[in-house]
Amino acid sequence: EDQVTQSPEALRLQEGESSSLNCSYTVSGLRGLFWYRQDPGKGPEFLFTLYSAGEEKEKERLKATLTKKESFLHITAPKPEDSATYLCAVQKEGTSGSRLTFGEGTQLTVNP
Amino acid sequence: DAGVTQSPTHLIKTRGQQVTLRCSPKSGHDTVSWYQQALGQGPQFIFQYYEEEERQRGNFPDRFSGHQFPNYSSELNVNALLLGDSALYLCASSSNLISSYEQYFGPGTRLTVT
Repeated sequence: EDQVTQSPEALRLQEGESSSLNCSYTVSGLRGLFWYRQDPGKGPEFLFTLYSAGEEKEKERLKATLTKKESFLHITAPKPEDSATYLCAVQKEGTSGSRLTFGEGTQLTVNP
Repeated sequence: DAGVTQSPTHLIKTRGQQVTLRCSPKSGHDTVSWYQQALGQGPQFIFQYYEEEERQRGNFPDRFSGHQFPNYSSELNVNALLLGDSALYLCASSSNLISSYEQYFGPGTRLTVT
């Protein structure tokens, strides 16, 4: 069974204090790994898709990386507006559908 | 370019009642997926519709059913509501023609069962 584990559950940073969020996954054939940002009471907002080990993608202060067992979301010099829950999800290859299996998320708080 | 829209925004129902939630996909998308998100948890996959057929289904009972219309919009129906069905229901759309398989989410419908 596909499994996604995110750590830590919650992370509190000072503005400008860089850190990383972890997403460990178990899936029999990875089609893609997805990162989303979710603000309270809203739907997840798409950030990145990673397809193969060694791949990296960047967007503003965020950088996502992928290995064969885990993905990291690096946040460089975060600002209070980066506060949100970050969700990781995997999609399995070889199926006719494209369901996502999500982790529980990491709740990030950035204090000014 | 309109994104994914969902209605209603909020809904309060009583145990045993039935509910219908609606979703319109992003322009150009033909596939709709539904997820349930309990407070403090990640979204759980309910099912996915493509070409008006249920293509994949998660571990949800038959009380959860859906439909996709020719214009690609979709409905989620839940019968015999339980207190445990209280959650944020998310609709996501994607394109079967694009190999990126990215899914874009709507704002969700907050369902409260009392």
